[in-house]
Amino acid sequence: AIRITQSPSSLSASTGDRVTITCRASQGISSYLAWYQQKPGKAPKLLIYAASTLQSGVPSRFSGSGSGTDFTLTISCLQSEDFATYYCQQYYSYLLTFGGGTKVEIK
Amino acid sequence: QITLKESGPTLVKPTQTLTLTCTFSGFSLSTSGVGVGWIRQPPGKALEWLALIYWNDDKRYSPSLKSRLTITKDTSKNQVVLTMTNMDPVDTATYYCAHRHLLAYGDHFDYWGQGTLVTVSS
Repeated sequence: AIRITQSPSSLSASTGDRVTITCRASQGISSYLAWYQQKPGKAPKLLIYAASTLQSGVPSRFSGSGSGTDFTLTISCLQSEDFATYYCQQYYSYLLTFGGGTKVEIK
Repeated sequence: QITLKESGPTLVKPTQTLTLTCTFSGFSLSTSGVGVGWIRQPPGKALEWLALIYWNDDKRYSPSLKSRLTITKDTSKNQVVLTMTNMDPVDTATYYCAHRHLLAYGDHFDYWGQGTLVTVSS
């Protein structure tokens, strides 16, 4: 199975900061990567798919980039509602795998 | 609009079989391209994909759990059922069902149920 390593596992940031989260795949996955946001007690929410395509309704401060093995999720100007845990998921292989998550906390 | 909701027992004993039902609305599992997946999340831990069933009855399973999982669909009832045998305390988790995103190639999920917490304990 394709392993996804997500980093950092947590970070502290302030409102207005630019935040970057990274996912690295154990083998090339082209652009078959999605990003989700999860708030405590809630289901994950799809933010980005195909590595860089913003899901409908998601604010433009979220962006994704990368292809092959290295991917990033960037939040350009962190808002209070963005404090959450973020997961990436590869779907290059039909055996789907998620990253370990990145918790974005208030500094 | 698309909604999904998981139902099933909140508590199961070790060695028992878990049966979870995902009841959905807003789409049909007889429509080409449609799929429903199951994903779980142990308390405080990451998401783990379990299984996925497609409109054509094709099925995919996590290799680490394949021997214990069965996914089926009932198109007339708009339901997907997941069974997991030989439950163990490490299977304690919130179990989610989710709709496969149709507007793009590949298996990722754009609508999720609220999740149901299953505890495995004697």
